Amino acid sequence: GENVEQHPSTLSVQEGDSAVIKCTYSDSASNYFPWYKQELGKGPQLIIDIRSNVGEKKDQRIAVTLNKTAKHFSLHITETQPEDSAVYFCAADTGGFKTIFGAGTRLFVKA
Amino acid sequence: DTEVTQTPKHLVMGMTNKKSLKCEQHMGHRAMYWYKQKAKKPPELMFVYSYEKLSINESVPSRFSPECPNSSLLNLHLHALQPEDSALYLCASSPDRDDAYEQYFGPGTRLTVT
Repeated sequence: GENVEQHPSTLSVQEGDSAVIKCTYSDSASNYFPWYKQELGKGPQLIIDIRSNVGEKKDQRIAVTLNKTAKHFSLHITETQPEDSAVYFCAADTGGFKTIFGAGTRLFVKA
Repeated sequence: DTEVTQTPKHLVMGMTNKKSLKCEQHMGHRAMYWYKQKAKKPPELMFVYSYEKLSINESVPSRFSPECPNSSLLNLHLHALQPEDSALYLCASSPDRDDAYEQYFGPGTRLTVT
């Protein structure tokens, strides 16, 4: 079955710096890759996603890249702000309703 | 309205109690999910309903019993739980599977089994 690895597990950056979180997946049939942000005491919130027929997608300060050949995808946050502090999960989906999550990255943005 | 609501927010129950968790969405989504999330871990899929029919049961113990009364509502009935079942229980929904895969999560119910 699908396996998603996520790195790093913890990331600390200064406000205004960029943050990058990387994931790899194992199942070449995966065709949808969402990213979720989870703040303390809340449910995961979908922040951006990418499908396998697209290499990059941007939404304001957030971008996601996908390398299908290498089975890598990454989340890039520019000009980080304290409110970006949260746990971020990558995920991979082959269809059939199952979404496989990475272990999560705890991002700290220091003011 | 892109909101999934869950009640209650917090629940404390004894091992002999029977309780239910409720989830509601009004986005017209046809797939609804229950996940369990332990501290500092990702969500783990428990059940999936598609068009009000159970599509996936991830080998969840029978002390958890899901129910989908209609396309907007999802319940999780709890009976004879164990302390290790204490966790955040998340509900999610997604549109018709043929069209999109985005899942929208509710805020969760924090369950403590004593």
